[in-house]
Amino acid sequence: AQSVAQPEDQVNVAEGNPLTVKCTYSVSGNPYLFWYVQYPNRGLQFLLKYITGDNLVKGSYGFEAEFNKSQTSFHLKKPSALVSDSALYFCAVRDGGYNKLIFGAGTRLAVHP
Amino acid sequence: DADVTQTPRNRITKTGKRIMLECSQTKGHDRMYWYRQDPGLGLRLIYYSFDVKDINKGEISDGYSVSRQAQAKFSLSLESAIPNQTALYFCATSRSDEAFFGQGTRLTVV
Repeated sequence: AQSVAQPEDQVNVAEGNPLTVKCTYSVSGNPYLFWYVQYPNRGLQFLLKYITGDNLVKGSYGFEAEFNKSQTSFHLKKPSALVSDSALYFCAVRDGGYNKLIFGAGTRLAVHP
Repeated sequence: DADVTQTPRNRITKTGKRIMLECSQTKGHDRMYWYRQDPGLGLRLIYYSFDVKDINKGEISDGYSVSRQAQAKFSLSLESAIPNQTALYFCATSRSDEAFFGQGTRLTVV
């Protein structure tokens, strides 16, 4: 069965420092991986995806993610964090047809001034 | 206006009551989904639909039912609400890879 794991409930980082939010996956076949962000009182917003191709994927708001097949990881990164990046981040994997998604538990990112 | 609209945004209901959550979309997508979000569990799929004639159970469909009244409308019903159905519910649509989510309905069952 497909699954994703986000090992950190919360990540704290100072504004201006690089950030990493971790995600590992377990899938049969080639993974279709996604990152979504949820701001308070809002729905989830798409950040980026990995389907095939370059292992470094660039997305919205300056975020990027690195796909590592040998480590079965898809970590979200940003070179310089902003206070406005503070939100709940979800890693997800496509589960079969219909574009169904299986989500990780989420990681709360707190960026401090 | 939002592309995916959920109503109501907040609802408190009593145990045993029937309640319907509604979702409409203006994106023209065929695929629609209902997820619930619980703290520490992420989002879990309740039901999904490819078109008005195609309804499928997700991971946690027990206690829920859905209706796809039109391509743009997908409703979720709790026939007899129970407290452990207290959660944040999201409707989503997709055409290809990216999913688009509504703002959510916060449901409390007391």
